[in-house]
Amino acid sequence: QKEVEQNSGPLSVPEGAIASLNCTYSDRGSQSFFWYRQYSGKSPELIMSIYSNGDKEDGRFTAQLNKASQYVSLLIRDSQPSDSATYLCAVPDRGSTLGRLYFGRGTQLTVWP
Amino acid sequence: NAGVMQNPRHLVRRRGQEARLRCSPMKGHSHVYWYRQLPEEGLKFMVYLQKENIIDESGMPKERFSAEFPKEGPSILRIQQVVRGDSAAYFCASSPAGRAADTQYFGPGTRLTVL
Repeated sequence: QKEVEQNSGPLSVPEGAIASLNCTYSDRGSQSFFWYRQYSGKSPELIMSIYSNGDKEDGRFTAQLNKASQYVSLLIRDSQPSDSATYLCAVPDRGSTLGRLYFGRGTQLTVWP
Repeated sequence: NAGVMQNPRHLVRRRGQEARLRCSPMKGHSHVYWYRQLPEEGLKFMVYLQKENIIDESGMPKERFSAEFPKEGPSILRIQQVVRGDSAAYFCASSPAGRAADTQYFGPGTRLTVL
């Protein structure tokens, strides 16, 4: 069973601040990593994917990957109240049955005006 | 460009009844995954299917649960003799191929309530 751990939160930041969400994973050989956003009562929506060490930026979102430390993070700059949601870190299976995703329990983010 | 479709969106069943959940993948996607999200818990993998094949059902309870993805029509997750513990949100996701790097796109989910 692969483990994906996220800081449990909840995380509360003021509007305009940087929100930092963290995730560690147990499978040292993992190559792909995904961040999903899930609003209450809704389905997960892909925010970012990252495959290489370093930073990947997309608008206000930056994913950071450090495979040596088995750590992936998501930074949200200029946080907005609309960013308030649960953020899920997901790592796919590398085994013979490729495809299944292992999810962390999620970090609940609240951005207050 | 329709995304992943699931129906029904809400399903209420009494204990002992059957629940049948449907999922139509995105156009061009032939890989379907079912996940379950229990209240206050994370998403848990249940089963991975391609057309007419179950690739990985290791996350699915051995009894009462079954899944199929026929040549024609949607994928179906079937729960027989439902119990209260089956109450959860069931999400279907699809991808174009089964590679680890492929993004899985989620449907809106079916919220199952067992009375």
